Amino acid sequence: EADIYQTPRYLVIGTGKKITLECSQTMGHDKMYWYQQDPGMELHLIHYSYGVNSTEKGDLSSESTVSRIRTEHFPLTLESARPSHTSQYLCASSERRSGTINEQFFGPGTRLTVL
Amino acid sequence: GQQVMQIPQYQHVQEGEDFTTYCNSSTTLSNIQWYKQRPGGHPVFLIQLVKSGEVKKQKRLTFQFGEAKKNSSLHITATQTTDVGTYFCAGPYFSGSARQLTFGSGTQLTVLP
Repeated sequence: EADIYQTPRYLVIGTGKKITLECSQTMGHDKMYWYQQDPGMELHLIHYSYGVNSTEKGDLSSESTVSRIRTEHFPLTLESARPSHTSQYLCASSERRSGTINEQFFGPGTRLTVL
Repeated sequence: GQQVMQIPQYQHVQEGEDFTTYCNSSTTLSNIQWYKQRPGGHPVFLIQLVKSGEVKKQKRLTFQFGEAKKNSSLHITATQTTDVGTYFCAGPYFSGSARQLTFGSGTQLTVLP
């Protein structure tokens, strides 16, 4: 069954550590996204990609970086985690069809806590 | 600034009562999407509206897109405890050179048994 996966689901880490949040999808989608969401709040787009070797920053400024070396894989990296990075990070993907915005499929999310 | 406004932010209803959430855009939208996020879960796509004045139904859920394509609503008839969650509308807006989906602030629905 086609799906979108995120690991780890929960991460508690100390300040200054480097972390990578993994996201993979098996749907063959060209478009992938990273959102940041505080509990009960709206989703903020922090990164997106339209295909391999294509990455862009979203509306919300983020100190994280992303890469897209393979279509199915879109990892997010924080070089030096800080308590202000504590949040839920949601990965999503969608088909790429010209002239329209398609529905997005979300992964289960990673809840990050930086102490 | 906020491009998609959603009201109310919170709604508590007794099971069996109706519920409505409203979404207003500062600009005309080509389409609008609705998502549901259960507590502790991730957003799940519900529906997309494209045409002016469009009305779509999914069992007890009724979605409307305004004539001017600047507002939308989601109405749930006779709520059940399974309806609990946060409902988000989302519309396409330009972010830099590309159109991206911008989510509203969401309406958090609590259904009291």
